[in-house]
Amino acid sequence: QKEVEQNSGPLSVPEGAIASLNCTYSDRGSQSFFWYRQYSGKSPELIMFIYSNGDKEDGRFTAQLNKASQYVSLLIRDSQPSDSATYLCAVMVSGTASKLTFGTGTRLQVTL
Amino acid sequence: GAVVSQHPSWVICKSGTSVKIECRSLDFQATTMFWYRQFPKQSLMLMATSNEGSKATYEQGVEKDKFLINHASLTLSTLTVTSAHPEDSSFYICSASSGYGYTFGSGTRLTVV
Repeated sequence: QKEVEQNSGPLSVPEGAIASLNCTYSDRGSQSFFWYRQYSGKSPELIMFIYSNGDKEDGRFTAQLNKASQYVSLLIRDSQPSDSATYLCAVMVSGTASKLTFGTGTRLQVTL
Repeated sequence: GAVVSQHPSWVICKSGTSVKIECRSLDFQATTMFWYRQFPKQSLMLMATSNEGSKATYEQGVEKDKFLINHASLTLSTLTVTSAHPEDSSFYICSASSGYGYTFGSGTRLTVV
């Protein structure tokens, strides 16, 4: 079982719709969760992070964490073509010297 | 915000030669730098963790004699790919922990011919 799992996609949503990206993790010691966006040929850029159960909102983005079910999700409201990218979920497990473990990413396509 | 400058952005080298990649934290002190490798359509794989002034910690399966990491100061970490071969062709990315979370360098596309 992979430590961090994501559906590779592509996930296709029309412009203006809500995109929902999901991520599950296997280690219950995971304590911090990150969402990164990566455009083709570029390095990842941080969208947001979440530590506590529940929702965290930042502009058009909302991260949702459910530690009991071991999943974290990212909602993108009013999706724009510029949101088309690969979204990487990353998890930091306590006691791992702050190392991040990445999922394989979900490719999002926002269509006009 | 925190910025990590990575150079070069791309490099082509001949098989058997060595290549050095630099990462500098421009506006913060990076006591720890992480080095990743990413093959096409795959996720980031952590290669090693470097701490300023001490030896790097390599992940299982990563050859420490092939991928030399030096973290001599709080603002500079380098990765040297020694005796590069075509299978080392990949996208190499550094990352440092700052007050804004983990900041990534812009990446280095290495092609070994």
